[in-house]
Amino acid sequence: GDSVTQMEGPVTLSEEAFLTINCTYTATGYPSLFWYVQYPGEGLQLLLKATKADDKGSNKGFEATYRKETTSFHLEKGSVQVSDSAVYFCALSSGSARQLTFGSGTQLTVLP
Amino acid sequence: EAGVTQFPSHSVIEKGQTVTLRCDPISGHDNLYWYRRVMGKEIKFLLHFVKESKQDESGMPNNRFLAERTGGTYSTLKVQPAELEDSGVYFCASSQEARGRGYEQYFGPGTRLTVT
Repeated sequence: GDSVTQMEGPVTLSEEAFLTINCTYTATGYPSLFWYVQYPGEGLQLLLKATKADDKGSNKGFEATYRKETTSFHLEKGSVQVSDSAVYFCALSSGSARQLTFGSGTQLTVLP
Repeated sequence: EAGVTQFPSHSVIEKGQTVTLRCDPISGHDNLYWYRRVMGKEIKFLLHFVKESKQDESGMPNNRFLAERTGGTYSTLKVQPAELEDSGVYFCASSQEARGRGYEQYFGPGTRLTVT
């Protein structure tokens, strides 16, 4: 079945540091890929997505590129802020199934 | 426009009791999903409604869980009787497929269930 493997956390960075959170997947066909973020006390929010190979999703300074050859969708940001502290989830949906398959989440803490 | 809402935000019950969680999707969204995250692990799919019909309930863990969506609006998820391993955060999400936009799902804040 489909699965998502996500970099284990927690991750602690200083403000303005570079962020990478690794995500790889296993899926049948050509999945759509997503990054969701959960800020403290809030629900999950879609951060960015990519629906086909080589697409780059971007939002709020975050980027991720759909790499079919390496089955990866790594999340990056060039300069993190304290306000980026949250839990980040990589996810996919594939085939006719509508439900999302999630990774285990990565807790990010950014220190001032 | 109001987002997805869930009630209660937190519930603490004893093993063997019954709990009912409620989800109100975004108005006009035909698709409604339930997920849960147990013990800080990955978020797992439970089931999917299209309007009032269960499209996919392959993720429901056992027959102690019953989901309904009468009239195709809000949904309830009942756990009866609750067990310790049911503790976790239960998320609801809704979506309205739109041409060219894929299946973006909008999530509620979740209900944290603690079974003691």
